[in-house]
Amino acid sequence: GDSVTQMEGPVTLSEEAFLTINCTYTATGYPSLFWYVQYPGEGLQLLLKATKADDKGSNKGFEATYRKETTSFHLEKGSVQVSDSAVYFCALSGDSGNTGKLIFGQGTTLQVKP
Amino acid sequence: SAVISQKPSRDICQRGTSLTIQCQVDSQVTMMFWYRQQPGQSLTLIATANQGSEATYESGFVIDKFPISRPNLTFSTLTVSNMSPEDSSIYLCSGGLQGQEQFFGPGTRLTVL
Repeated sequence: GDSVTQMEGPVTLSEEAFLTINCTYTATGYPSLFWYVQYPGEGLQLLLKATKADDKGSNKGFEATYRKETTSFHLEKGSVQVSDSAVYFCALSGDSGNTGKLIFGQGTTLQVKP
Repeated sequence: SAVISQKPSRDICQRGTSLTIQCQVDSQVTMMFWYRQQPGQSLTLIATANQGSEATYESGFVIDKFPISRPNLTFSTLTVSNMSPEDSSIYLCSGGLQGQEQFFGPGTRLTVL
């Protein structure tokens, strides 16, 4: 079945460091890919998305490119801030059956220190 | 986008009791889902809430334990029945248009003693 694998955390960075969180997926067909962020004590917020190969999603300085050849959707940010500390989830929505269900990775905790 | 609210935001319950969680969306959505997030874990889909008909449950979840209603396009409820401490989790509702991203509620934090 479809699945998402994220790099293990926690990831600890200093402010203004470069961030990469790896995400790879297994899916049949052409899924849509998402990054969600969960701040402490809150629900999930959509950070960015990409719906087809080579699409680049971007928001708030974060970027991710849908790479079909490597089945990856890595999250990057050039300069992280303390306020970016949160849990980041990679997810896919497969098109088989068009159920709209999201399959999540295990989440990666990011801690940014001043 | 859609704004999703949930009630209650948190509760502490005794084992053997039931709790009903409400989810309200501010606009009509075609898809609504219920997820469970155990402490420090990722999200696990419980079921798809279908308007006017029985929910579609994922493997490991059954209607007797997690009855779900969705009387219209903007409202759904999830009941956690006959609770045990293992049911202590965050329960999240999501909604969206078919083929597009989902938006999530803030979650309901349930503790079962």
